[in-house]
Amino acid sequence: VMTQSPATLSVSPGERATLSCRASQSVFSNLGWYQQKPGQAPRLLIYGISTRATDVPARFSGSGSGTDFTLTISSLQSEDFAVYYCQQYNDWPLTFGGGTKVEIK
Amino acid sequence: EVKLLESGGGLVQPGGSLRLSCVASGFIFNKCGMGWVRQAPGKGLEWASAVSPGGSPNYGDSVNGRFTISRDNSKNTMYLQMDSLKVEDTAIYYCAKRSGAGGPFDSWGQGVPVTVSS
Repeated sequence: VMTQSPATLSVSPGERATLSCRASQSVFSNLGWYQQKPGQAPRLLIYGISTRATDVPARFSGSGSGTDFTLTISSLQSEDFAVYYCQQYNDWPLTFGGGTKVEIK
Repeated sequence: EVKLLESGGGLVQPGGSLRLSCVASGFIFNKCGMGWVRQAPGKGLEWASAVSPGGSPNYGDSVNGRFTISRDNSKNTMYLQMDSLKVEDTAIYYCAKRSGAGGPFDSWGQGVPVTVSS
């Protein structure tokens, strides 16, 4: 089970956002983060805990280990307001967290 | 450029069947795992099923025994046969490509809607 917190995060543009994801057992480095905007398919942001996917801006960073992980957006831009999901791909069943909605404060 | 094009969604009655297809291009299909991820209206992402490059399937608990995933590497196409559909299967179904055989989902289709209702 993947548990994300908080469910909703209210942040002003230019501020830092910190999103958490906790796994019920170790997923080693098999942890990814996705961004989803309304009406769009999800987009892979981070994989292997901390590696940015292609064309992902450097303001997105991932960290953590074992069971506790963090996605940090260093300075929120208008296009970053979205829902973010973590996912483990270490073992079956593949599981997503419930999501964190990042909204404009 | 990776492209994933889903088709086959629609409205079906409870207990009915649908078959989704996903045609892939822009990458070496037979080297990558593939999967289906669904999203019920207003809800989060739920992994439904995945298939290895060689065709070995895996299923989430909510669809196991009712859905069958398969792929035809000669046609660069993945399928999801959905039987005994329930109202709670109503969702957007996304086709997604895995990074290599077992990595994260690094490319996604636009999704196909499935509605189960009487």
